[in-house]
Amino acid sequence: GENVEQHPSTLSVQEGDSAVIKCTYSDSASNYFPWYKQELGKRPQLIIDIRSNVGEKKDQRIAVTLNKTAKHFSLHITETQPEDSAVYFCAASRGSNYKLTFGKGTLLTVNP
Amino acid sequence: EAQVTQNPRYLITVTGKKLTVTCSQNMNHEYMSWYRQDPGLGLRQIYYSMNVEVTDKGDVPEGYKVSRKEKRNFPLILESPSPNQTSLYFCASSYRDTTNTGELFFGEGSRLTVL
Repeated sequence: GENVEQHPSTLSVQEGDSAVIKCTYSDSASNYFPWYKQELGKRPQLIIDIRSNVGEKKDQRIAVTLNKTAKHFSLHITETQPEDSAVYFCAASRGSNYKLTFGKGTLLTVNP
Repeated sequence: EAQVTQNPRYLITVTGKKLTVTCSQNMNHEYMSWYRQDPGLGLRQIYYSMNVEVTDKGDVPEGYKVSRKEKRNFPLILESPSPNQTSLYFCASSYRDTTNTGELFFGEGSRLTVL
């Protein structure tokens, strides 16, 4: 089955700096890669996703890049703000069965 | 309001006492799934359902049962709970687009403690 590894497990940055979270996946048939944000005590919510026919996708301060050859995808947050502090999860799915496998999560702390 | 509703939100029970966590969605989603969240282990899929009467095992199905008799409901059943099932449980649902993928909408979570 699919295995998703996520690094780092914790990340602390100063407000205004950039943050990068990286994930690797094992199943070369995976074609859908969402990122979820979970604030403390809340439910996970989708912030951005990318499909295997696209190499990069941006939404304001958030971007995701995908390297299919290396089976690697990353979340980039620019100009971080304290409200970006949360746990971020990457995930991968091959779509055909929608069995979505999550990474273990990254706790991002943005210090004012 | 579009939502996924789980009950109970909090439960403390004892080993072996059968319990059911209900999940209901009002978005007419075909896909529903259960996850458990444990510190350092992230979100692990327990069971999922592609449609009514269609269910399949996720990564950690042992000790759990599910059913999908109606499109809107997907209860999680613990026939004989054990302490290692103490966890935070999330139900989620999703539409399925032509690539069979889509945003997961999560419930608020159910924190279960088994003594």
